[in-house]
Amino acid sequence: SAVISQKPSRDICQRGTSLTIQCQVDSQVTMMFWYRQQPGQSLTLIATANQGSEATYESGFVIDKFPISRPNLTFSTLTVSNMSPEDSSIYLCSVAFTGRWGYEQYFGPGTRLTVT
Amino acid sequence: GENVEQHPSTLSVQEGDSAVIKCTYSDSASNYFPWYKQELGKRPQLIIDIRSNVGEKKDQRIAVTLNKTAKHFSLHITETQPEDSAVYFCAAGFSGGYNKLIFGAGTRLAVHP
Repeated sequence: SAVISQKPSRDICQRGTSLTIQCQVDSQVTMMFWYRQQPGQSLTLIATANQGSEATYESGFVIDKFPISRPNLTFSTLTVSNMSPEDSSIYLCSVAFTGRWGYEQYFGPGTRLTVT
Repeated sequence: GENVEQHPSTLSVQEGDSAVIKCTYSDSASNYFPWYKQELGKRPQLIIDIRSNVGEKKDQRIAVTLNKTAKHFSLHITETQPEDSAVYFCAAGFSGGYNKLIFGAGTRLAVHP
């Protein structure tokens, strides 16, 4: 597996502002993803962070609202823009690589965002 | 695209009993099926996975089975313990090319002493 860290771990933000979440991995990984988990809900994929190119967004998520960067194979950021209370959620980065037995995916600790 | 259904949404068992959680998927191209355990306030943890070239995999008290023809897979926990109490998520994906996972809705397992 890999050691995955996220910053900040939590934040309370005012509506209309933006927050950038950082995800750092201790080794180079092929794939990095960003998920959203609303209270009591499952994990919803926002986008795949592609190294050196634009992220690939899932249906219902757009770049203007959730811009993503991935400057190298160990780091990515997700920005939640022009926030509203509906954006209150846990945001998790996830990394995937080919482990001993094949493809495996692991999650960071998450960022708990509250928008007031 | 892929769709994963998971049942039951909640499961309550007595300590020592077995628990079974079932998932079905829609995309026949999926070949990777992990299970995650999420304790309250924690990140999802990968506990076991199965790939389409095998039908069953065991790791101590947990086992997963896969039926590719029927497009369903299951998690079996034997001799449950209170520390097994958590939300369990199944997922399906394709371990090649665009490797995203699609998650089921989750099962909240409560193991009562």
